[in-house]
Amino acid sequence: DAMVIQNPRYQVTQFGKPVTLSCSQTLNHNVMYWYQQKSSQAPKLLFHYYDKDFNNEADTPDNFQSRRPNTSFCFLDIRSPGLGDAAMYLCATSRDRDSINQPQHFGDGTRLSIL
Amino acid sequence: AQKITQTQPGMFVQEKEAVTLDCTYDTSDQSYGLFWYKQPSSGEMIFLIYQGSYDEQNATEGRYSLNFQKARKSANLVISASQLGDSAMYFCAMREPHFMNYGGATNKLIFGTGTLLAVQP
Repeated sequence: DAMVIQNPRYQVTQFGKPVTLSCSQTLNHNVMYWYQQKSSQAPKLLFHYYDKDFNNEADTPDNFQSRRPNTSFCFLDIRSPGLGDAAMYLCATSRDRDSINQPQHFGDGTRLSIL
Repeated sequence: AQKITQTQPGMFVQEKEAVTLDCTYDTSDQSYGLFWYKQPSSGEMIFLIYQGSYDEQNATEGRYSLNFQKARKSANLVISASQLGDSAMYFCAMREPHFMNYGGATNKLIFGTGTLLAVQP
């Protein structure tokens, strides 16, 4: 049973046209993360929510925003996608953020292409 | 400086043989966690195994085991009896305390650059 669900699996958008990626979880975890992974690179953390508390990484561009309307859902908004934003976007959850031994559980990812 | 180093960009292994994927890490914290994830070509990240810095025994999960050498700061993944379905990218990751500006803490997961494993029949 899928526990972290990302929709859609593949998203194509036009240069400059806003796009929203969605993530939902059935684990009732407190923390949700968004990562960007470009081809042949490691995932890069963009931001995370601890409950409703939003935490942005210092080098995350302003073009990227996120919303978490409730525990189960989290959205990634890209306001004006550029060609450099083409990547796999991974959503992950963890029960809390204080425990060293908590693994993060990932969804299947959304592969974003920019035309 | 690199926190997690995976020196093998790619590896080949014959089906049914064992393979070791290398990972070294850099931290000044005493408390940290080490993770291995598998990422098939379809893209999902699958959690494989965890080793805590205070764990005295090497972690094992089925065909996966972790060769943890704390003094050397290495946490190599050993896959026994390789299967064709093991062909994937493998990421080593470390979780260490990360203090936010407001004084709270979170534990960021820092990934290495990955090793692409190809299992040959």
